Amino acid sequence: AQSVTQLGSHVSVSEGALVLLRCNYSSSVPPYLFWYVQYPNQGLQLLLKYTSAATLVKGINGFEAEFKKSETSFHLTKPSAHMSDAAEYFCVVSGSGNTGKLIFGQGTTLQVKP
Amino acid sequence: GAVVSQHPSRVICKSGTSVKIECRSLDFQATTMFWYRQFPKQSLMLMATSNEGSKATYEQGVEKDKFLINHASLTLSTLTVTSAHPEDSSFYICSARGQRGSGTEAFFGQGTRLTVV
Repeated sequence: AQSVTQLGSHVSVSEGALVLLRCNYSSSVPPYLFWYVQYPNQGLQLLLKYTSAATLVKGINGFEAEFKKSETSFHLTKPSAHMSDAAEYFCVVSGSGNTGKLIFGQGTTLQVKP
Repeated sequence: GAVVSQHPSRVICKSGTSVKIECRSLDFQATTMFWYRQFPKQSLMLMATSNEGSKATYEQGVEKDKFLINHASLTLSTLTVTSAHPEDSSFYICSARGQRGSGTEAFFGQGTRLTVV
């Protein structure tokens, strides 16, 4: 069984500040991990993914995440927040391979203050 | 650019009628498609997984006779909400996984806002 927990349903940062969105996972098999972003009333866009290659993953829009097996974590970071980063972020776990279903975390709303 | 197209983006229907939502993979063959439901300010809830040419696998608690899923081709899956009721009003999102990228990530449609009146 797999699950993912996002710590903090709402995160607020100032523009230019560090963004840190926390995600912990549980998986009985080697996981694939993803971060997706959702803007209001839209679908989801892939930010980055971990599929057992490099543990530090770089994604689009300056985001990156580090897979830490010992901590079962996959936290999302960005050095400097932009106003356009305000959105809903989902951490997602899947079994390896292309048949595993995607299990979503509860989501974290990122607010960026000017 | 968009690789998964979902249609319609918004639909309003009368209680008791049926509504069909289409999900198309535009430039790749989607061997697996997923259908999600999202309530306001909540996460995505997986409703069912469908593989081309076979019956969909529904998650626990999802009525398969109410939410009919068809994945007749490698580029098209449909979700039909039958005998819709106001409690079926929600945001429905499809995603597709297949021969695009590494094959591990899923690409999402833009979502369909269903309102049953």
